[in-house]
Amino acid sequence: RKEVEQDPGPFNVPEGATVAFNCTYSNSASQSFFWYRQDCRKEPKLLMSVYSSGNEDGRFTAQLNRASQYISLLIRDSKLSDSATYLCVGASYNFNKFYFGSGTKLNVKP
Amino acid sequence: NAGVTQTPKFQVLKTGQSMTLQCAQDMNHNSMYWYRQDPGMGLRLIYYSASEGTTDKGEVPNGYNVSRLNKREFSLRLESAAPSQTSVYFCASSEVGRAITDTQYFGPGTRLTVL
Repeated sequence: RKEVEQDPGPFNVPEGATVAFNCTYSNSASQSFFWYRQDCRKEPKLLMSVYSSGNEDGRFTAQLNRASQYISLLIRDSKLSDSATYLCVGASYNFNKFYFGSGTKLNVKP
Repeated sequence: NAGVTQTPKFQVLKTGQSMTLQCAQDMNHNSMYWYRQDPGMGLRLIYYSASEGTTDKGEVPNGYNVSRLNKREFSLRLESAAPSQTSVYFCASSEVGRAITDTQYFGPGTRLTVL
């Protein structure tokens, strides 16, 4: 079993829609969590860290559920520019290792 | 600031050949990482260096060696390339790598094909 698992999608949604991704993690990848965005054939870039109490950044909301060992990313009012692959990341307890999920592909259509 | 730079951007090798992928960062970061990304597998950590002078194995270190030449540079060497090492290789750096707010900054990647 991989340390971090995601639904690969693709999620095909119209502009303006709300879409949510979930990601499950194992004990070895459970110190801290992040969402990264990766555009086609480009490097990953940090979208947001995930705080225990949940956090919001504009149209993006991240939640953490330690009891069920999953994190989520909610995107409201989807834009065409949100089309990308979203990577869920868990860090080990000593922060020496970061475990990446295989990514969830989002296509936002006009 | 250039951020994280990697060379080369593309490379084709024959089985058994060797090569070194170069990575440099100009953000004065302590930690540096090498990942490979394969379709459907996500990014997997090959090696990391928590600070200058130290290196440690990640999830998939077999077939690779690394050198943390100084604080700026972290190279990845394939001594005898195999087709299974065909992948996209990303170098990354972070200031400390020990806090929830630490961001990993990635280089543009090296696309390697081993025939």
